[in-house]
Amino acid sequence: QKEVEQNSGPLSVPEGAIASLNCTYSDRVSQSFFWYRQYSGKSPELIMSIYSNGDKEDGRFTAQLNKASQYVSLLIRDSQPSDSATYLCAVSLRGRDDKIIFGKGTRLHILP
Amino acid sequence: EAGVAQSPRYKIIEKRQSVAFWCNPISGHATLYWYQQILGQGPKLLIQFQNNGVVDDSQLPKDRFSAERLKGVDSTLKIQPAKLEDSAVYLCASSFPRGSLYEQYFGPGTRLTVT
Repeated sequence: QKEVEQNSGPLSVPEGAIASLNCTYSDRVSQSFFWYRQYSGKSPELIMSIYSNGDKEDGRFTAQLNKASQYVSLLIRDSQPSDSATYLCAVSLRGRDDKIIFGKGTRLHILP
Repeated sequence: EAGVAQSPRYKIIEKRQSVAFWCNPISGHATLYWYQQILGQGPKLLIQFQNNGVVDDSQLPKDRFSAERLKGVDSTLKIQPAKLEDSAVYLCASSFPRGSLYEQYFGPGTRLTVT
């Protein structure tokens, strides 16, 4: 089983709708979870971090964490064309808060 | 606050040549990471420094890759000799702990093409 799994997409969502991105991880002792946005030809940009079960909201973004199910998701409300990018899920590894492992990313395409 | 700086931004070399990349982390960030990102994949950690000491280099191909962090600030990553499969983007990131949370911030990357 891969350590961090994401659907590679592309995920196509109409402008103004909610985009839902999902990520599962295999290490039960992982404590910190991150979502990065990466535009084509650019480096990853941190958009959300979460370490407690439940929801964390920041503007149009909501991260959801369920440690029992080893599942973390990112919701983007009122999707804009500028949200079109690859979204990378990253998870801290084997109890080491300072080291993270990345999924392959989900390509999101917002349809105007 | 200035971000992570990297140079060069692009490099094209022939196989068996050598190349070096430079990174300057965010001021005050003790932890520095070098990642390799191949097209269509997530970043893969090559080496992690805490100040000027190596914390993790388990995925660094040590027969051809080397890295150092002088005085716990700037870092260089070197490849010698390069292979075709080294074509990738090399990303530098730095982090500072907020409690147990280490948020990593990335530089712009160096795109390496080996021909």
